[in-house]
Amino acid sequence: GAVVSQHPSRVICKSGTSVKIECRSLDFQATTMFWYRQFPKKSLMLMATSNEGSKATYEQGVEKDKFLINHASLTLSTLTVTSAHPEDSSFYICSASGPTDTQYFGPGTRLTVL
Amino acid sequence: SQKIEQNSEALNIQEGKTATLTCNYTNYSPAYLQWYRQDPGRGPVFLLLIRENEKEKRKERLKVTFDTTLKQSLFHITASQPADSATYLCALDDTNAGKSTFGDGTTLTVKP
Repeated sequence: GAVVSQHPSRVICKSGTSVKIECRSLDFQATTMFWYRQFPKKSLMLMATSNEGSKATYEQGVEKDKFLINHASLTLSTLTVTSAHPEDSSFYICSASGPTDTQYFGPGTRLTVL
Repeated sequence: SQKIEQNSEALNIQEGKTATLTCNYTNYSPAYLQWYRQDPGRGPVFLLLIRENEKEKRKERLKVTFDTTLKQSLFHITASQPADSATYLCALDDTNAGKSTFGDGTTLTVKP
């Protein structure tokens, strides 16, 4: 149980394009979903917290217009990187939490912006 | 300022020995603390959660302790195996924040 999927697992795009990453909780209802970014050999940096049906709460320094988050249902959240640039290249990971306090993580999405 | 420190970036041990990883924190009031395992290019996998009123938690070969006076958690893997080689992350959930903050992780290598 408690499986979270992410799609795509890997994406390469040209600078200036937008990329959408999906995060789904497959076997539980996720009241809260989190989006993280991870640099090589570094820990996870929380970007934003989203609750179903409400606006995401962004961490300090994260541009909400750059990283659009939608949490339309209890099983799906999306992160859209708008007008992506090479510095946005990173490993993006989502997590979901349900009735317990534990976060269950997706497998991550490797974004490369050329 | 708030800080989470995991004892070392890398830890190498021999198969069969006990691995002990440390997570220290300052300026937090954690409601609970979690340990995760992360393999290269993958998302973290939840291992154990320990609450502020719990001293110790066990799961198979894993043991976690939580000392809120010392502001420290210890994570032990007994009878370690090469398959235990991975990066282990501790995460604090602040009572008031409602979100987790992660340490930088310790990369464990178990040599056969």
